[in-house]
Amino acid sequence: TQLLEQSPQFLSIQEGENLTVYCNSSSVFSSLQWYRQEPGEGPVLLVTVVTGGEVKKLKRLTFQFGDARKDSSLHITAAQPGDTGLYLCAGAGETSGSRLTFGEGTQLTVNP
Amino acid sequence: DTGVSQNPRHKITKRGQNVTFRCDPISEHNRLYWYRQTLGQGPEFLTYFQNEAQLEKSRLLSDRFSAERPKGSFSTLEIQRTEQGDSAMYLCASSLVDYGYTFGSGTRLTVV
Repeated sequence: TQLLEQSPQFLSIQEGENLTVYCNSSSVFSSLQWYRQEPGEGPVLLVTVVTGGEVKKLKRLTFQFGDARKDSSLHITAAQPGDTGLYLCAGAGETSGSRLTFGEGTQLTVNP
Repeated sequence: DTGVSQNPRHKITKRGQNVTFRCDPISEHNRLYWYRQTLGQGPEFLTYFQNEAQLEKSRLLSDRFSAERPKGSFSTLEIQRTEQGDSAMYLCASSLVDYGYTFGSGTRLTVV
């Protein structure tokens, strides 16, 4: 069974601070995706990383895929209240086809 | 096309009743997925269709659950003889390729 562990589970910071969310597994993934979810809504895709060591930037968000394709991180610079939400990482296994395994999520609250 | 549409948004039902949810994917997407999400957890995979063929089912999908995708367009998820443990958000997603889902807003099921 492939598991993705996210840390921290909860994060409450002040506007302007930087933060990093981690997503770790003992399994290798063919790709890893990050989603953001707001209460009562479905997750929204932020980015997909495919290549080990890959770094992608989306405005103030930086995503990194580990060299061994077992872990990933999301770094947010100068967080804003609009960044508040549940951040989920999800991995597509090398043998699981299109099925995604999701982490439990990191609930981020950015206080003004 | 306005994205993935799920109906109803909310459903309250008595234990033992049957419920059916509908998902209309993005029209050009040939893959459709059902996930279940409980409070404080990431989504858990239930089942996956490519066109009209159901290619994979999770062990979470007991014999009380059935999903269909006639003609490879919309999909339905039926739960028979609902139990309180079935209370969750049921999420539908569609994709064209393996990288990145578009989720609907989900159906929140409450079994009383």
